[in-house]
Amino acid sequence: DSGVTQTPKHLITATGQRVTLRCSPRSGDLSVYWYQQSLDQGLQFLIQYYNGEERAKGNILERFSAQQFPDLHSELNLSSLELGDSALYFCASSVQGGGEKLFFGSGTQLSVL
Amino acid sequence: GQQVMQIPQYQHVQEGEDFTTYCNSSTTLSNIQWYKQRPGGHPVFLIQLVKSGEVKKQKRLTFQFGEAKKNSSLHITATQTTDVGTYFCAGPSNTGKLIFGQGTTLQVKP
Repeated sequence: DSGVTQTPKHLITATGQRVTLRCSPRSGDLSVYWYQQSLDQGLQFLIQYYNGEERAKGNILERFSAQQFPDLHSELNLSSLELGDSALYFCASSVQGGGEKLFFGSGTQLSVL
Repeated sequence: GQQVMQIPQYQHVQEGEDFTTYCNSSTTLSNIQWYKQRPGGHPVFLIQLVKSGEVKKQKRLTFQFGEAKKNSSLHITATQTTDVGTYFCAGPSNTGKLIFGQGTTLQVKP
């Protein structure tokens, strides 16, 4: 158990819909990262937060947004969903967000039908 | 932008054979990390290398960091079926985000 909690584990929805993925980092970790993993693909970096502030942005679509709350949990919002958004979405956390090791959650498997 | 490349993408070996995956960064790295993702699982941190030319061992796994701190390798001696999974290398950007290689998926035939 990495200590990072992601909910829900599975999500099935239709095109055009909006969903919210939730992540609670490990106790004491200030930085949260979101990654997208499509079938047989690597880990595509989406966005990073540190202590409530956005620190780095990757190839995140404009239809996607995220935030980190004062209690350090984070949410990733995906809207106007398309079939191609179907993927495994991982949240990870680290202590300071300065390039140290990451602890990954179990992921949310999103299926857009 | 900064890129981390890994080869090969897939490797099938007979149990007992050795396995190596290679990682190359387009920029010098402050450290290189390796993660393993079992089928259906999430990436799990294996090790971090920091020094130029560093070599670390974990049982049958040997990790190396290149002299120029731009490349790394993971070598598994005498693979076992428990080694199956995808191995990722990752390096930090100047903003601290970790950039992952595409991963090498290892299949081991018993």
